[in-house]
Order: sequence, then C-alpha cells, then structure tokens
Amino acid sequence: DVQMTQSPSSLSASIGDRVTITCRASQSFGASLNWYQQKPGKAPQLLIFGASRLQSGVPSRFSGSGSGTDFALTISSLQPEDSAIYYCQQSDNTPWTFGQGTKVEIK
Amino acid sequence: QVQLVQSGAEVKKPGASVKVSCKASGYTFTDYFLHWVRQAPGQGLEWMGRINPTYGNADYAQKFQGWVTMTRDASLSTANQELTGLESDDTVVYFCARERTLVAATTSRYFDLWGRGTLVTVSS
Repeated sequence: DVQMTQSPSSLSASIGDRVTITCRASQSFGASLNWYQQKPGKAPQLLIFGASRLQSGVPSRFSGSGSGTDFALTISSLQPEDSAIYYCQQSDNTPWTFGQGTKVEIK
Repeated sequence: QVQLVQSGAEVKKPGASVKVSCKASGYTFTDYFLHWVRQAPGQGLEWMGRINPTYGNADYAQKFQGWVTMTRDASLSTANQELTGLESDDTVVYFCARERTLVAATTSRYFDLWGRGTLVTVSS
C-alpha cells in the first residue's frame, strides 16, 4: 500500500498568514493526489484534485502543487473559516490511501 | 439536487451485522463508481472499497475482505454496505463518496460528492 505522510500534524496560524501543508508518498505516482477539508461533524469536502486543479467553488486562496512523491497544499491568506482538518489522498493505486490529517487552527 | 443520502445511525451489539445504505439523486447512478470510507471517532479517513453501480462488482481493501459486502440496487439508485461480526472498536462513521475521473495528460480520480455519514455504534 502507498503510505501518505502529512506534515505538520497540526499548526496554529494567524488570519492572513500563508500556510503550507506537505504530503509525502512512500512511492512515486502520477497526478492522482487530492486534498480534502473536513470540519467537525461533517463529511470531507474536495479542495484540490489532480495535485493542482482547484475544485469548482473552492476559494482561489487554496492551491496545490507537487508531483512524484512530494505534494503540498497552500492557503495563501488564512481565513477564519479555514479552521479544519486537511487530508491528502492518493487515488493512483488501490487501496486508495489518506494522509493522517493536518489540523489547522486560528490563533 | 445532486446528493448522496445515507441511512440513519445504528446501534448494534458485538457480533451483530449492519447494513448501511447510500441513495444517489440528481445524477445517473450508473455513471460513477461509489466508494465507502470509514472514520473512527477522532481519527483519520480509511478507504474500504468501491462498487461499480453498473455491474455490481466490488473491490475491497484487504483488511475488509471477508466481513464487508458492498452491493447495489440500480433500480433504487442505492448502494449498500453490509458489515458482519461487529466489534466494539467498530464504532465508526461510514461515508459513501462518488468517484469522478478526469482524463487529461494524466488521469485523476477523486471524490467530488460525499454522503453525510452514518454512525454505527457497537455496544453491549
């Protein structure tokens, strides 16, 4: 199975800060790397698919980058509503696997 | 409205079985694979498997083979997941999610639509 490792596990940042979450895969694959945001008691919501493609309706402050084994999610200017847990996911190999999650808190 | 509506919360005793359903609406059910993802309280997301709504064949993550069965009723636009031999640590939320595929220079697969989740509590 492809192991996905996110870092950091949690972070605290101020409104307006630039925030970057990284995701490293245990083996290289194509562009099937996705990012989801999950708020308490809710289902995850797709932010980024194909490593860098912004899902329709998602604010442009979210962006994704990377290829091979190293990927990143960047929030260019953190907003209060961005407080959530963020997960990366690879869908290139079965079983599809998720990172352990990164909790983003607002200072 | 495009949505996945899941069945309500369940409380089961250890050793029991449970069936969770996921009804699709607002799109053609057979056009997209449906997946199941589980999440224990306070924990991360875990992929369980997926079903092809057209033919009803399913793929499972190895750890769920033998005690999870995914089925579908295309006439009802509904996917089902039956879990057997529940244990206390099986108290989790089960999500269904729709797979989309983008074919470009590379192929991307992702979940663009999720159900709200079904909590299954296992307690004696």
